[in-house]
Amino acid sequence: GQNIDQPTEMTATEGAIVQINCTYQTSGFNGLFWYQQHAGEAPTFLSYNVLDGLEEKGRFSSFLSRSKGYSYLLLKELQMKDSASYLCAGMDSNYQLIWGAGTKLIIKP
Amino acid sequence: IAGITQAPTSQILAAGRRMTLRCTQDMRHNAMYWYRQDLGLGLRLIHYSNTAGTTGKGEVPDGYSVSRANTDDFPLTLASAVPSQTSVYFCASSDSGTGDTGELFFGEGSRLTVL
Repeated sequence: GQNIDQPTEMTATEGAIVQINCTYQTSGFNGLFWYQQHAGEAPTFLSYNVLDGLEEKGRFSSFLSRSKGYSYLLLKELQMKDSASYLCAGMDSNYQLIWGAGTKLIIKP
Repeated sequence: IAGITQAPTSQILAAGRRMTLRCTQDMRHNAMYWYRQDLGLGLRLIHYSNTAGTTGKGEVPDGYSVSRANTDDFPLTLASAVPSQTSVYFCASSDSGTGDTGELFFGEGSRLTVL
């Protein structure tokens, strides 16, 4: 079956670095997405990886290892506004997204 | 402001009633989607449309129907609501369809409670 696994909740300190891991099992693979969702709001796109390696975008970076079925989202210089849920989603061979349940990130001062 | 508009934002509904959630986008995106989001679960696809005039079933289509008469509108109908359909519903669009990997743009969600 198809599955996305990510931690339910993480806590980090303002100004620090946090890494949110995601492992995936999909029927075929057409890329891995990360979305951010603040409480009570819509998800918004953060990153897309289809090739192995690290993609950097400002304070956020996303990494993919296709051989390991693994991705992570790295957030640097954490700010209070980064408190949100982070959703990992894998795209299968039919270009359908399989979503993880999300990781709730709590930032403490 | 360009984007996706959903209505209503919140609704309490008696079981057995019919309900239509509206979704309109002004980005001229080809593909549109309806998801439901439940606590502890990932987003689950209900129905999708790759282009006006076509629709397809997602992971959890039972009890729901959709139509895509034009590019902008993609309403979701619950013919006879049941309590298990209590959820937050998100409409989304992308400038792509099957065979492409465009990012999704989401509406603000419709919180539906079925009693």
